[in-house]
Amino acid sequence: KNQVEQSPQSLIILEGKNCTLQCNYTVSPFSNLRWYKQDTGRGPVSLTIMTFSENTKSNGRYTATLDADTKQSSLHITASQLSDSASYICVVIPSGGYQKVTFGIGTKLQVIP
Amino acid sequence: NAGVMQNPRHLVRRRGQEARLRCSPMKGHSHVYWYRQLPEEGLKFMVYLQKENIIDESGMPKERFSAEFPKEGPSILRIQQVVRGDSAAYFCASSPPAGQGAEQYFGPGTRLTVT
Repeated sequence: KNQVEQSPQSLIILEGKNCTLQCNYTVSPFSNLRWYKQDTGRGPVSLTIMTFSENTKSNGRYTATLDADTKQSSLHITASQLSDSASYICVVIPSGGYQKVTFGIGTKLQVIP
Repeated sequence: NAGVMQNPRHLVRRRGQEARLRCSPMKGHSHVYWYRQLPEEGLKFMVYLQKENIIDESGMPKERFSAEFPKEGPSILRIQQVVRGDSAAYFCASSPPAGQGAEQYFGPGTRLTVT
């Protein structure tokens, strides 16, 4: 079982609408949790980085939340744009080293006009 | 300041040949990471290097795969005697020497196809 589970696997929304992507993890203890955006055929680009003590972090229209007690994180996208169509990947960096860096499979978001 | 550069972007090799993937980190970055992404799967950590040192290679197959980050020049991921299962996208990321919390910047990836 993957230590980072993301849901939904895919999502289609209308341009201008909001959406929320979920990430549940079992990695513990962890150093930080990151959300990346990966366009098709490109490398991931960092959206937010949160340490275990942070509850929320915003980057423009992207807002990430973290509940370390329930081991859940979410990424909320406001007023979606066509360019938001991409895969969104949750990454957990454990305490103690990179050998256990765990990536979620990602949520494929498609924004349609 | 150019981002992380990888070349080639696409590489086709026949079974049994060698594949060499190159990664030039961002200026000022001395830490390099290699990841592999199979179709419809998440990225998997392979190896973490600093200049002239392999820090963690626990994610890399023991045979046929090797990585280096020389004092001068790009980091190289080398796959010998490629097999069809090696077909994947290989991403390199770099970070400044700020420890575990340092943000990683990814390159565009090299898509390896083994025929």
